[in-house]
Amino acid sequence: GQQLNQSPQSMFIQEGEDVSMNCTSSSIFNTWLWYKQDPGEGPVLLIALYKAGELTSNGRLTAQFGITRKDSFLNISASIPSDVGIYFCAGLRDFGNEKLTFGTGTRLTIIP
Amino acid sequence: EPEVTQTPSHQVTQMGQEVILRCVPISNHLYFYWYRQILGQKVEFLVSFYNNEISEKSEIFDDQFSVERPDGSNFTLKIRSTKLEDSAMYFCASSERWGQGGGAFFGQGTRLTVV
Repeated sequence: GQQLNQSPQSMFIQEGEDVSMNCTSSSIFNTWLWYKQDPGEGPVLLIALYKAGELTSNGRLTAQFGITRKDSFLNISASIPSDVGIYFCAGLRDFGNEKLTFGTGTRLTIIP
Repeated sequence: EPEVTQTPSHQVTQMGQEVILRCVPISNHLYFYWYRQILGQKVEFLVSFYNNEISEKSEIFDDQFSVERPDGSNFTLKIRSTKLEDSAMYFCASSERWGQGGGAFFGQGTRLTVV
């Protein structure tokens, strides 16, 4: 089946540092989404990417859709304590097929 | 801000019992979904629903599962005879339309514990 692999699996950073994580797949996805999940909560949509090569920002977050449609990265600048959580990428293969395939997640921890 | 709401937040049930998980999607959305997340694992797709019918389902969504939109606002997931391995967080999601600036918005989830 389709798999999305995220790296790193976990990150330990200090407040104020920039963060970079990525997501790769052996299959093409036509839409890439980035979600954040806090413990015991549902995933919250951060950024949606629809076009290969697209670079989109949402505040301190920036995400890019890879040219090959097989990868995406998410950057967080100047991290703050509320950035702690698990970040998931999710891919949508075909329009009209609304099944999202989620990545394995990157757990972000901020060291005091 | 519109949001997807799910009830109950936590459901404990005995193995073999039927459970119904309820969701109220965002009102102008057209696509509805159920996903589940076993503790510590990634989110997995169960089923998508559009125009009053299932549009896709995963291997997990077997004959024990069913979905229904009984009225204009609710969307339910029924598990007919629960098994221990059904214990997970179940998330409802909805989306307006793909490729037009939106994505799937998720509810807070229902934690199902089968004992």
